[in-house]
Amino acid sequence: QSALTQPRSVSGSPGQSVTISCTGTSSDVGGYNYVSWYQQHPGKAPKLMIYDVSKRPSGVPDRFSGSKSGNTASLTISGLQAEDEADYYCCSYAGSLYVFGTGTKVTVL
Amino acid sequence: QVTLKESGPVLVKPTETLTLTCTVSGFSLSNARMGVSWIRQPPGKALEWLAHIFSNDEKSYSTSLKSRLTISKDTSKSQVVLTMTNMDPVDTATYYCARSYGDYYYGMDVWGQGTTVTVSS
Repeated sequence: QSALTQPRSVSGSPGQSVTISCTGTSSDVGGYNYVSWYQQHPGKAPKLMIYDVSKRPSGVPDRFSGSKSGNTASLTISGLQAEDEADYYCCSYAGSLYVFGTGTKVTVL
Repeated sequence: QVTLKESGPVLVKPTETLTLTCTVSGFSLSNARMGVSWIRQPPGKALEWLAHIFSNDEKSYSTSLKSRLTISKDTSKSQVVLTMTNMDPVDTATYYCARSYGDYYYGMDVWGQGTTVTVSS
């Protein structure tokens, strides 16, 4: 049960798109279509942004999208906005267990 | 309104046992397709999943911490309790509880505000 691997940071200008990768194994990301993504602003609790790889909870802007290929899941933020600057974590179900990613800081330039 | 709220000691000594309580409102712990997880986050570090309890009382634990953790629930009190034995300074963190429910069964749709625990003598 090792942490999923995410890039330490990504950045983009307002209006641009950024993509965050989340790499696991066939025992977690690759084995289940149950990857979720969380946004966390400093000092705040995480917020669910994507579940079941690509589904958006109500209220989450459609500029957030998720996908998966093999053992790697991805979160794309299109039309980057200032309020998107935050830490992002992926999480995968792994057969009654859960494993989080290492986290990615998104900076809006 | 669905809420979760963590409570417990702010400071514990090394080797002591930590007991944290997650009190939920706006839903029942006996609902089908419902679960509650505990997650922690050391200062400046990533989220780490600790344990999960399902509505049927099935439990699962982090492989690395399994020997130290116990999760339980009291449906009548709307509470989920996590105990962690043999606390160490590296266990200093903010501890969150979070709900998994319905369409979000494999995600965590509502989180508590977190409670900060410091381990120090």
